[in-house]
Amino acid sequence: AQKITQTQPGMFVQEKEAVTLDCTYDTSDPSYGLFWYKQPSSGEMIFLIYQGSYDQQNATEGRYSLNFQKARKSANLVISASQLGDSAMYFCAMRHGTASKLTFGTGTRLQVTL
Amino acid sequence: SQTIHQWPATLVQPVGSPLSLECTVEGTSNPNLYWYRQAAGRGLQLLFYSVGIGQISSEVPQNLSASRPQDRQFILSSKKLLLSDSGFYLCAWSDGKGLRGTNEKLFFGSGTQLSVL
Repeated sequence: AQKITQTQPGMFVQEKEAVTLDCTYDTSDPSYGLFWYKQPSSGEMIFLIYQGSYDQQNATEGRYSLNFQKARKSANLVISASQLGDSAMYFCAMRHGTASKLTFGTGTRLQVTL
Repeated sequence: SQTIHQWPATLVQPVGSPLSLECTVEGTSNPNLYWYRQAAGRGLQLLFYSVGIGQISSEVPQNLSASRPQDRQFILSSKKLLLSDSGFYLCAWSDGKGLRGTNEKLFFGSGTQLSVL
């Protein structure tokens, strides 16, 4: 069965510092995609970054990067130079094979402090 | 550009009352459509998804149903709400044209906070 695990229910980081949000996954399908979404207090889900299982390099999108370690089945999100506006819930998700759906983790609440 | 509309934003309903949440997508054709539910402080649980008009897949047995009467319209319904139906409901779409394992992103609506009392 496919599973996404986020072990950090909450994280704190100081403004301008970098933070890593953990995500591990489990799938037997060799072809899959990994996603990170941000959910601010308004509730909407905002796509941040994507990593394909066959991608050779780690994905980057501005201040977001994905530390993809395939052998360990981990896809950690790194946010550099944290800003107060980064305070939100962050969800890791996976699409496996030809499935149309995304499976989400339970999320990590990030709080950026001054 | 594509946009997704979901309404209402908040809803308070008594137990046993019916429910209808609507979601529409603009700017694309034949999207995959999804209904997710998020319990307070929890992750997202997929309820239904649809790859075409009249095609509905249910992920979990429950008190809810979904319908897709038009290509870009997805409706979540219930005949009689239960207390356990309370939660944050999110509609989403994807273009459905991605290849195996490629970056078929989900784009979400702004959600409906449903409180069943």
